[in-house]
Amino acid sequence: AQKVTQAQTEISVVEKEDVTLDCVYETRDTTYYLFWYKQPPSGELVFLIRRNSFDEQNEISGRYSWNFQKSTSSFNFTITASQVVDSAVYFCALLNQAGTALIFGKGTTLSVSS
Amino acid sequence: DAGVTQSPTHLIKTRGQQVTLRCSPKSGHDTVSWYQQALGQGPQFIFQYYEEEERQRGNFPDRFSGHQFPNYSSELNVNALLLGDSALYLCASSWRLQDTEAFFGQGTRLTVV
Repeated sequence: AQKVTQAQTEISVVEKEDVTLDCVYETRDTTYYLFWYKQPPSGELVFLIRRNSFDEQNEISGRYSWNFQKSTSSFNFTITASQVVDSAVYFCALLNQAGTALIFGKGTTLSVSS
Repeated sequence: DAGVTQSPTHLIKTRGQQVTLRCSPKSGHDTVSWYQQALGQGPQFIFQYYEEEERQRGNFPDRFSGHQFPNYSSELNVNALLLGDSALYLCASSWRLQDTEAFFGQGTRLTVV
């Protein structure tokens, strides 16, 4: 079975703090894709990153960085110097075996105060 | 370039009624997937349409049905609405069944009373 676990339900930080959102996944496939999406109050899911199982390099995009570790089945997301605009619900997702449906975690609500 | 558009934005229905939600995919996309997101939960896959056929279905009852039109737009129909059907319904579009490049719409908030 495939599963995504985001153990942190809510996180509150003050602006400029760094914050890491955890994601643990389960799959028996050797080839798979992992994603992070941001969902602001408007509801739309905004794509942040896609990572395939063969690429274990960490990625950095501005204040965002991702740490993919196959050994621990984790794909964690770090925001450096957080800003109020980062406040949203963040979802980690795994593409299913058929490659046709995303399996989402329950999400982590991030609140950044000024 | 218009992204994925969904209509209506909000909807209130009574138990037992039927509802139709609509989705227009991003330009160049031919595959539409529907997800249900209950409050405080992650989105759950309902089904996917490609070439006007349902290609894969998640764990949802037959009350949930869909359709895809020749222009790739799609409808989600829910019959005999239950209170538990209240959720945000999200549409995602992609190209050739591969959700590795899925883009989501803003969703339709359905409230069943």
